[in-house]
Amino acid sequence: DAKTTQPNSMESNEEEPVHLPCNHSTISGTDYIHWYRQLPSQGPEYVIHGLTSNVNNRMASLAIAEDRKSSTLILHRATLRDAAVYYCILRDRSTGFQKLVFGTGTRLLVSP
Amino acid sequence: NAGVTQTPKFQVLKTGQSMTLQCAQDMNHEYMSWYRQDPGMGLRLIHYSVGAGITDQGEVPNGYNVSRSTTEDFPLRLLSAAPSQTSVYFCASSSYSAGRTEAFFGQGTRLTVV
Repeated sequence: DAKTTQPNSMESNEEEPVHLPCNHSTISGTDYIHWYRQLPSQGPEYVIHGLTSNVNNRMASLAIAEDRKSSTLILHRATLRDAAVYYCILRDRSTGFQKLVFGTGTRLLVSP
Repeated sequence: NAGVTQTPKFQVLKTGQSMTLQCAQDMNHEYMSWYRQDPGMGLRLIHYSVGAGITDQGEVPNGYNVSRSTTEDFPLRLLSAAPSQTSVYFCASSSYSAGRTEAFFGQGTRLTVV
């Protein structure tokens, strides 16, 4: 499985935008880029995913580099509830969607 | 919607005891998986299933058994618990056929083996 690299932690202030980076230099053409987050004492929850184009949903935006070797999860206005560990995961659409390979993720700290 | 339900939420076992962690989903998803999460770590895949009657091993399967007799249920069995199996266990389900690829996770079972 192709690996991802994320910073261990990032800090933000409430109401400010947050850009969470992810490097995936060995990404293959069949890999989707998925983001999950894990709030304290909870299971991971899906945030967003994309293949080549930038994506938006109600939770966040995903910006994917043109060469697909990196991506950025954008939270437009951080809230205290967004404090969580964010995981960037590559998911091969040819091998199935039941296997997720988690790294250690980025712990986002949000200050009031 | 109930989503993915795991029971129990907490469990303490003595070394050598056996137990079954229960996982049920009500979304008619084909895929179900079990992960464990150790302190400060990401989740690691234990076993997974692509449908009733079909299971396969993940990254860390030793010491665990699974079966999938129905679409809804995917229990995880510890035959002889060891302290190294102290962890938080998460069950997940997903469906590709529904056109959505995200996985849904349960709230977790915190297991301590003493």
